[in-house]
Amino acid sequence: EAQVTQNPRYLITVTGKKLTVTCSQNMNHEYMSWYRQDPGLGLRQIYYSMNVEVTDKGDVPEGYKVSRKEKRNFPLILESPSPNQTSLYFCASRPVAGAKEQYFGPGTRLTVT
Amino acid sequence: AQSVTQLGSHVSVSEGALVLLRCNYSSSVPPYLFWYVQYPNQGLQLLLKYTSAATLVKGINGFEAEFKKSETSFHLTKPSAHMSDAAEYFCAVSDLAQGGSEKLVFGKGTKLTVNP
Repeated sequence: EAQVTQNPRYLITVTGKKLTVTCSQNMNHEYMSWYRQDPGLGLRQIYYSMNVEVTDKGDVPEGYKVSRKEKRNFPLILESPSPNQTSLYFCASRPVAGAKEQYFGPGTRLTVT
Repeated sequence: AQSVTQLGSHVSVSEGALVLLRCNYSSSVPPYLFWYVQYPNQGLQLLLKYTSAATLVKGINGFEAEFKKSETSFHLTKPSAHMSDAAEYFCAVSDLAQGGSEKLVFGKGTKLTVNP
């Protein structure tokens, strides 16, 4: 089944404790992206990647890092999480060509205390 | 840069009634437009997309949307609401990101409640 997977689905952590949220897709998509969803704000892009070893900032990149060492994986790294990073995170992917619709993972709900 | 406005953060309809969720985008150049649905505790699922092939776009679950260039609108409709349509709906438009790639810009979402 074609899908985007994320792990973990739920995470509660403390301020300053480094964490990684994994994202993997099995559709051979070149483009991958991370979003955060907050009430009343919709989805905002954090980082995106056009292909392996090519990443760039989205609209809200502060406090986040990403890497793209393999085409299928695009982990999101919070090196020193803070309470304002409590949010619902989505990974998405799409082919570079075509109509640009993105395929979303199930989401990761992160709470930073 | 593109922006998307969804009128009404909450819409409530009766089962069997017309569903109308409004979306306006900012650009005068017809972009790619999308509607996504998010059911409780789930990710986003594509409902339909506009890619300039036809102004009336049909999607899944009986939804459709009409692209109106003169009004820069892409409203989502369904003739008869079902209880299972209760969800949050997001309108999105493609836009150019820094570095020249395209990205999706989302509206803030409209939560649809369907009353029995």
